[in-house]
Amino acid sequence: DTEVTQTPKHLVMGMTNKKSLKCEQHMGHRAMYWYKQKAKKPPELMFVYSYEKLSINESVPSRFSPECPNSSLLNLHLHALQPEDSALYLCASSQEEGTITTNEKLFFGSGTQLSVL
Amino acid sequence: EDQVTQSPEALRLQEGESSSLNCSYTVSGLRGLFWYRQDPGKGPEFLFTLYSAGEEKEKERLKATLTKKESFLHITAPKPEDSATYLCAVRYLAGGTSYGKLTFGQGTILTVHP
Repeated sequence: DTEVTQTPKHLVMGMTNKKSLKCEQHMGHRAMYWYKQKAKKPPELMFVYSYEKLSINESVPSRFSPECPNSSLLNLHLHALQPEDSALYLCASSQEEGTITTNEKLFFGSGTQLSVL
Repeated sequence: EDQVTQSPEALRLQEGESSSLNCSYTVSGLRGLFWYRQDPGKGPEFLFTLYSAGEEKEKERLKATLTKKESFLHITAPKPEDSATYLCAVRYLAGGTSYGKLTFGQGTILTVHP
């Protein structure tokens, strides 16, 4: 199984809503990532979890709250989002967190297309 | 400033017309260069990793090469199903960090007409 599964595939939410994005992998990977991708732009790193602990937060606004309940699951909790947060949210995983001594390739899910009204 | 630049932004080919995509980088401490393919509304799909200048890797109609300043993705006799956005990403030692930051280029949108 080399899949990273993301749900839901599409999400429309208002600026006052609270919603969550979910990501699951069963490859035994110990690093999981959230990326944000705007149309016709490359993915931008948001968060990295390594061994279920938050390793990197790329100065993401607090209206995005990540959670890693166990080594296979990664959530992104959304609250009070803005229309400019509309984007494709991608989850990825790798065997280990990419460090300067490794070259871990990332496996990506298909993403959640988020629209904030 | 650390940069990853892909060219061209868009490329239209006829089926069977071979060509190359370019990824140039100006980062220090390169730890790996990755090529991904991304279909519309999907996540990137891993293609290749290159580690050192002179390295080459092949997969079906695709061949990736690496020099000290750039990487090429050569597409031989492309088919319509090769149409996608091709992203390159570099992992390098970012200033002040102890992890290998992965930075993506802007991508090349490839369209292959039958």
